[in-house]
Amino acid sequence: QSALTQPPSASGSPGQSVTISCTGTGSDVGGRDSVSWYQQHPGKAPKLVIYEVNKRPSGVPDRFSGSKSGNTASLTVSGLQPEDEADYYCNSYAGSNNFVFGTGTKVTVL
Amino acid sequence: EVLLVESGGGLVQPGESLRLSCAGSGITLSDHYMDWVRQGPGKGLEWIGRSVNKAFSYTTDYAASVKGRFSISRDEFKNSLFLQMNNLKTEDTAMYYCTREMYGGFHIWGLGTMVTVSS
Repeated sequence: QSALTQPPSASGSPGQSVTISCTGTGSDVGGRDSVSWYQQHPGKAPKLVIYEVNKRPSGVPDRFSGSKSGNTASLTVSGLQPEDEADYYCNSYAGSNNFVFGTGTKVTVL
Repeated sequence: EVLLVESGGGLVQPGESLRLSCAGSGITLSDHYMDWVRQGPGKGLEWIGRSVNKAFSYTTDYAASVKGRFSISRDEFKNSLFLQMNNLKTEDTAMYYCTREMYGGFHIWGLGTMVTVSS
């Protein structure tokens, strides 16, 4: 199972929006609604920010939103804040009781 | 508060075995699908396996990279999840996290335990 493809980096100024893509295939992202996104600060465990494509867990700011079109899912962080600077990973159920993560995107707040 | 605490990591030589533990507090692990995810130094996240809940007989599934070498088990009385890792390779060097799976996402994560495989 190949990793989902994400851009290595993305950036934006405080208050701006940044969108991260996550491209897979019809066997994973395109064929499932089990797409999730994780935020990871250096030296910390990952934290779920989006599940089932566009749902936010309790406590996650509504600045975080998710969507999907075809084989590509997207995470948008609106109104960027300094604490949003982190690595972000997508994940999808890939069938046959397997999951696959994305390659990861480093978001920098300029 | 729900907590997952991993333990058992350390330095081992290639070919050796290691058993990781994940203890739950504030949560009954047997009610939940539980997964293991790892992250090599400076690398991305990699899903390595899952144990479904008691209602489905704790059935397990594994990533191709660890299938046949790693196995997941549970101890209901200790409210714990285990990852038995055999025939370890240098590429298994990573931080290992246990996580609660729900609605296709990994909602709760432990802090991780580090495994280093080196001669």
